[in-house]
Amino acid sequence: QVQLVQSGAEVKKPGASVTVSCKASGYTFTSFYIHWVRQAPGQGLEWMGIINPNGGDTSYSQKFQGRLTMTTDTSTSTVYLELSSLTYEDTAVYFCARGSEYFYDSTYWWGQGTLVTVSS
Amino acid sequence: EIVLTQSPGTLSLSPGGRATLFCRASQSVTSDFLAWHQQKPGQPPRLLVYAASGRAPGIPDRFSGSGSGTDFTLTISSLEPEDFAVYYCQQYGSSPFTFGPGTKVDIK
Repeated sequence: QVQLVQSGAEVKKPGASVTVSCKASGYTFTSFYIHWVRQAPGQGLEWMGIINPNGGDTSYSQKFQGRLTMTTDTSTSTVYLELSSLTYEDTAVYFCARGSEYFYDSTYWWGQGTLVTVSS
Repeated sequence: EIVLTQSPGTLSLSPGGRATLFCRASQSVTSDFLAWHQQKPGQPPRLLVYAASGRAPGIPDRFSGSGSGTDFTLTISSLEPEDFAVYYCQQYGSSPFTFGPGTKVDIK
């Protein structure tokens, strides 16, 4: 059974950084890409980027270039998203989602989501 | 970046009705790599259709996708109570893998 379990809710001040974790189980961790998608309150879905747990290659949406970092820890089957220089507009639920063994593919399994609130 | 437009914004139907949702891309979607996701309040999305017409594992056959190039359609042949939700299309043929703004299917 594929499972993606994300870390708990965070409250951060403007200008700070946040790290969200996504622990995978039920499959071979290094064989499948992981995507990150966020959703602001009452809004639609926004794709942020993708990471290959086998080697750590990443591709980020240009919108987040310079302040988004995705990393993996193969020893714990965990993927991390770090977003820096937070603004109020970064308040959202952040989802990790497992893709396939191909870069160009959709998202087949989703984590439960992590609410990040940016507030002074 | 490929921009996806979905119509209608809201679709009000009765259980048993037929729902037809549209997704249009600003340029041709490579290899018709177009997916449809369903999302209910407080839940993560769920993949329904991949590659324009492939039904994801475990998805009932009342859900079907069609289309190619820039115009795609999701059809729900007979709405069940659990189908009232928001539906998003997503293209993954070119990075960034963009989503449409969503179509809400609600009960008439």
